[in-house]
Amino acid sequence: EVQLLESGGGLVQPGGSLRLSCAASGFSFSNYAMSWVRQAPGKGLEWVSGISSSGGSTYYADSVKGRFTISRDNSKTTLYLQMNSLSAEDTAVYYCAKAPYQLLYSVYYYYMDVWGKGTTVTVSS
Amino acid sequence: DIQMTQSPSTLSASVGDRVTITCRASQSISSWLAWYQQKPGKTPNLLIYQASTLQSGVPSSFSGSGSGTEFSLTISSLQPDDFATYYCQQYDSYPWTFGQGTKVEIK
Repeated sequence: EVQLLESGGGLVQPGGSLRLSCAASGFSFSNYAMSWVRQAPGKGLEWVSGISSSGGSTYYADSVKGRFTISRDNSKTTLYLQMNSLSAEDTAVYYCAKAPYQLLYSVYYYYMDVWGKGTTVTVSS
Repeated sequence: DIQMTQSPSTLSASVGDRVTITCRASQSISSWLAWYQQKPGKTPNLLIYQASTLQSGVPSSFSGSGSGTEFSLTISSLQPDDFATYYCQQYDSYPWTFGQGTKVEIK
């Protein structure tokens, strides 16, 4: 069974940092791209960041570019999100998601098929 | 960035009703669209990808259609378990973007 377990959330002061982890099991982690998606309280879903299976390519939403860094350790089957310069607008539940691909004319298209239960990040003084 | 706009924002329906949710992209995304269902306090669940491909394990009462900029999600006969919020999401290009969500309520 595919499982994704996020951890590392908590209460942090504005301007602070936090590192989220997502432990993966039940599938060949190194063969899949991965993503982070967040959901602020009472709001919709917002894609945050994505990373290729090798870790060689990374992608970010404009709202987090320059502040957040996505990475992965395939030997530990774990995905990470380093979050710096946090503000109240970053308060949300953060989900990690497995991203299988579809290939068309040598271009890869990824979607998110399995999500973790999320970890809550609260930025407040 | 590609903007995704869903309509309606809220939909009131009864068990057994056929319901349709629309999603419009601000530019063509071919068929690179996914639909998710989310219940309160729960993780989003993938229903459909590539606009019309049903994810394994999802009831056949769900169907998706469309391409380019206009898409729809249809539930052929609404069941009690289907009352939830539904999101469309484009994965044609980064940054990936979601629609604002459609809440399906009991009438």
